[in-house]
Amino acid sequence: DAKTTQPTSMDCAEGRAANLPCNHSTISGNEYVYWYRQIHSQGPQYIIHGLKNNETNEMASLIITEDRKSSTLILPHATLRDTAVYYCIVRFNSGGSNYKLTFGKGTLLTVNP
Amino acid sequence: DAGVIQSPRHEVTEMGQEVTLRCKPISGHDYLFWYRQTMMRGLELLIYFNNNVPIDDSGMPEDRFSAKMPNASFSTLKIQPSEPRDSAVYFCASSLPGLGVNTIYFGEGSWLTVV
Repeated sequence: DAKTTQPTSMDCAEGRAANLPCNHSTISGNEYVYWYRQIHSQGPQYIIHGLKNNETNEMASLIITEDRKSSTLILPHATLRDTAVYYCIVRFNSGGSNYKLTFGKGTLLTVNP
Repeated sequence: DAGVIQSPRHEVTEMGQEVTLRCKPISGHDYLFWYRQTMMRGLELLIYFNNNVPIDDSGMPEDRFSAKMPNASFSTLKIQPSEPRDSAVYFCASSLPGLGVNTIYFGEGSWLTVV
């Protein structure tokens, strides 16, 4: 899997957009970018994933650069409940026996009132 | 729809005792995963099953750990004998490839403390 680099921590004001960056300069053509988050004392939660086009769902938006070497997860209106560790993972979206989703250290996002 | 259900949520046990953690995956999901999380090592995949068959157990730390999936709706992770270094949060997760192979749904975790 391609290696990802994320800032250790970020702060965001409540109600403002939170933009979480992720670098994945060694990503290969058919690897997807996945985002998960883990709120304190809970299990990780899937947020969104994408290949090359920008994606949006009810939780967030994912912006992937044209060269696919970096991406940004956007929480449009951050709330205190969005305080969590956010994981960016690059992975093939294929089945078979290759299901090892590897979590790095992620970014601790703190949303402040 | 109920999510992944784990039990117990918290367990404190003495070194040397057997520990059994239980998991009920989301109905219809045919992949089941066991992860362990510690401050030092983060989230680690221990083992995963497909259609009740263990596919990859290379993350299982040693022979004291074993996992079974007797049917599609139940799995156990057993530690025997337990040691203090096994203290961690153990997460069970499940997935349905039709949703995207890496869209995995996690349970709330079992918090294990071995004293």
